[in-house]
Amino acid sequence: GDSVTQMEGPVTLSEEAFLTINCTYTATGYPSLFWYVQYPGEGLQLLLKATKADDKGSNKGFEATYRKETTSFHLEKGSVQVSDSAVYFCALIAGGTSYGKLTFGQGTILTVHP
Amino acid sequence: GAGVSQSPSNKVTEKGKDVELRCDPISGHTALYWYRQSLGQGLEFLIYFQGNSAPDKSGLPSDRFSAERTGGSVSTLTIQRTQQEDSAVYLCASSLGLQGPQHFGDGTRLSIL
Repeated sequence: GDSVTQMEGPVTLSEEAFLTINCTYTATGYPSLFWYVQYPGEGLQLLLKATKADDKGSNKGFEATYRKETTSFHLEKGSVQVSDSAVYFCALIAGGTSYGKLTFGQGTILTVHP
Repeated sequence: GAGVSQSPSNKVTEKGKDVELRCDPISGHTALYWYRQSLGQGLEFLIYFQGNSAPDKSGLPSDRFSAERTGGSVSTLTIQRTQQEDSAVYLCASSLGLQGPQHFGDGTRLSIL
């Protein structure tokens, strides 16, 4: 079945550090890939997405590139801020499906210290 | 409202009781999804609606779980004879069409004593 694996957390960084959260997937066909973020006390928000191989999704300084050859969609940010502290979820919608059933990774807790 | 609204935000109930969780999607969104977020299982898909129809109920954990949607708008997720393993945050999302980006509500935190 379809699955998403994220790097284990929690991840703790100092402000302005470089962030990478690894995400790999297993899916049939050509899935669409997503990063969602959940800030403390808030609901899930779509951070960025990519729908085909080599696409780069970007938003709020975060980037992720859809790598079909390595089945990966790693999240990166060049300089994190305290306000980026949240839980990050990698997710996919399997290719060929007619509706948007999201399959999520287990989530990675990011804490950024001043 | 501007976003997906879920009620109640918190629900504490005794084992064996029935509960109803409500989701009010963004106006005009035809697709509606229910997910569950728990410590042991992470985020799991439960069911989706296109209009009032639920073509895929395969994610519902047991026959104690049911959901309906009326008027292409509000949806209710009902759990009968609740068990402690039902304790979780239940999330609702809606989208404009089946392939559109999903907008999530803040969830209902369900605690079974």
